[in-house]
Amino acid sequence: AQRVTQPEKLLSVFKGAPVELKCNYSYSGSPELFWYVQYSRQRLQLLLRHISRESIKGFTADLNKGETSFHLKKPFAQEEDSAMYYCALSRGNQGGKLIFGQGTELSVKP
Amino acid sequence: GAVVSQHPSWVICKSGTSVKIECRSLDFQATTMFWYRQFPKQSLMLMATSNEGSKATYEQGVEKDKFLINHASLTLSTLTVTSAHPEDSSFYICSAPTGPWANYGYTFGSGTRLTVV
Repeated sequence: AQRVTQPEKLLSVFKGAPVELKCNYSYSGSPELFWYVQYSRQRLQLLLRHISRESIKGFTADLNKGETSFHLKKPFAQEEDSAMYYCALSRGNQGGKLIFGQGTELSVKP
Repeated sequence: GAVVSQHPSWVICKSGTSVKIECRSLDFQATTMFWYRQFPKQSLMLMATSNEGSKATYEQGVEKDKFLINHASLTLSTLTVTSAHPEDSSFYICSAPTGPWANYGYTFGSGTRLTVV
């Protein structure tokens, strides 16, 4: 069965510190992995997708198939990064449903 | 870019009544719409998948007679919570893939806060 696990419910760091939000998944096929972000009072929006290997707002995420992980990283956190972050998985190339992790609340303190 | 417009953004209803939530795709055709439920500071739980012109597929444990989904056109999907009870109070979100493949990403509605009193 497909499953996404984000072990940390809350991650609190100081501004300028590195941040890593963990995501592990289980899926027998080739998944598509995403990170979504939900800022306070806003709708969920796409942050990153593994297939594009991009860096958005200083965030990067590398798919590690051996460890079945897709951790989100940023070298220097900013206060405006404070939000809920969701890791999500979809079956590859089928426009299939997204399965979300439990979410991690990132709090960046000044 | 592709936008999903969701209405209403919030609704309060009396126990036993029904509430309809609409999601419209703007500037693109949503042949598929996913409906999620989200509890405060918790994950999005997939409830069902609607496909234009066919019956919705419900996830295990979701009552299809209680959560009626209609996807009559390529731009409109609706979720009706029938005979609502206080335990149905939640945040409901719709989402649609913005391209033929999952790796194009999904766009989300702004959500509907349902409170049943």
